[in-house]
Amino acid sequence: KAGVTQTPRYLIKTRGQQVTLSCSPISGHRSVSWYQQTPGQGLQFLFEYFSETQRNKGNFPGRFSGRQFSNSRSEMNVSTLELGDSALYLCASSSGTGGVNTGELFFGEGSRLTVL
Amino acid sequence: AQSVAQPEDQVNVAEGNPLTVKCTYSVSGNPYLFWYVQYPNRGLQFLLKYITGDNLVKGSYGFEAEFNKSQTSFHLKKPSALVSDSALYFCAVRGAGGGNKLTFGTGTQLKVEL
Repeated sequence: KAGVTQTPRYLIKTRGQQVTLSCSPISGHRSVSWYQQTPGQGLQFLFEYFSETQRNKGNFPGRFSGRQFSNSRSEMNVSTLELGDSALYLCASSSGTGGVNTGELFFGEGSRLTVL
Repeated sequence: AQSVAQPEDQVNVAEGNPLTVKCTYSVSGNPYLFWYVQYPNRGLQFLLKYITGDNLVKGSYGFEAEFNKSQTSFHLKKPSALVSDSALYFCAVRGAGGGNKLTFGTGTQLKVEL
């Protein structure tokens, strides 16, 4: 069974640009969550999607947005990039969004964004 | 708000010795607690979770964790450490919003030496 696939793995952008990151969850998983990992702030929750609906949202500015498609693939977008957006962006999938499997996440290897 | 604390930035242990990585939590209501491990340049891997039931939870790769309600702790343990266990370990708690929103600790770097 293929794992969570994130593309691109590495990218470099300049301030003011925008970026779109893609995540393909494990087959059959309908929940996709996004996390930002930085040395200073650690791991921070961005948002969760389940069946194309945003289920939860973290404390990030409106420049950070996401969506989920009918095949459960998800994208996140960051507009008007700032230096502080440099981070490892991790996508995680789960079979559900509640019940006994809640919180049991399968992470991709991440997309490392560098903003210059 | 839900939170977890990992008081140690780094833990060093000799191979073959028992290891403990500490975590304390603060939640309103029943805690949903998790341990994840991250190897260099990789995503996180789920190790184990506590939702309800036995206070001693067994997980992947020989790891276990002990839930202690009175001390609000959820320490990760392994009876005999391996060099390959060297990695970054994160404790996490499910957030108030439910679902798969997790609040992670700051992480503890485990170094197992020969």
